[in-house]
Amino acid sequence: AQKVTQAQTEISVVEKEDVTLDCVYETRDTTYYLFWYKQPPSGELVFLIRRNSFDEQNEISGRYSWNFQKSTSSFNFTITASQVVDSAVYFCALSEAAGYSSASKIIFGSGTRLSIRP
Amino acid sequence: KAGVTQTPRYLIKTRGQQVTLSCSPISGHRSVSWYQQTPGQGLQFLFEYFSETQRNKGNFPGRFSGRQFSNSRSEMNVSTLELGDSALYLCASKPQGAAGELFFGEGSRLTVL
Repeated sequence: AQKVTQAQTEISVVEKEDVTLDCVYETRDTTYYLFWYKQPPSGELVFLIRRNSFDEQNEISGRYSWNFQKSTSSFNFTITASQVVDSAVYFCALSEAAGYSSASKIIFGSGTRLSIRP
Repeated sequence: KAGVTQTPRYLIKTRGQQVTLSCSPISGHRSVSWYQQTPGQGLQFLFEYFSETQRNKGNFPGRFSGRQFSNSRSEMNVSTLELGDSALYLCASKPQGAAGELFFGEGSRLTVL
């Protein structure tokens, strides 16, 4: 069975601090996708990144970076120099990659509520 | 480009009633998925439709059903409502070939009394 664990329920940091959101996943599939989504107070989830299980390269996009380590089944997300606008609930997620039809059935973690204090 | 539109945004029903929620995907997106979000269970996949066919289904009872029309708009229906069905129901559409890159609507918040 597939499972995503986000052990950090809530994190609060002061603006400009760096913060890392942890994500650990379980799957028996050999090919799979990992994702991060952001849910601001408006409620609309926003896609941030997709990672294929074959691609363990870390990725950086502006202040965001992702560390994918297959050996530890982790896909952590770091925000550098956090800003108040980063305050949201962040979800790590997983889907099998047997075909495009399966990649819409996404297993979400329980989310980490991130609060950035000015 | 207009985003995913869900109606109604808020609704209140009583136990035993039924409800229909509507979702208009982004123009050109043929895949529509539905998710239920509750504080206790988190985000859970309900089903996915593509070209009017249900392509994938989550572990929900038969009271939860859906359909998709030829213009890709989708509806989901919950019959014989229970208190536990109170949730935020999120619809998402996906462009062709973009695995897992879902575009979500703001959701329909259902309260069952």
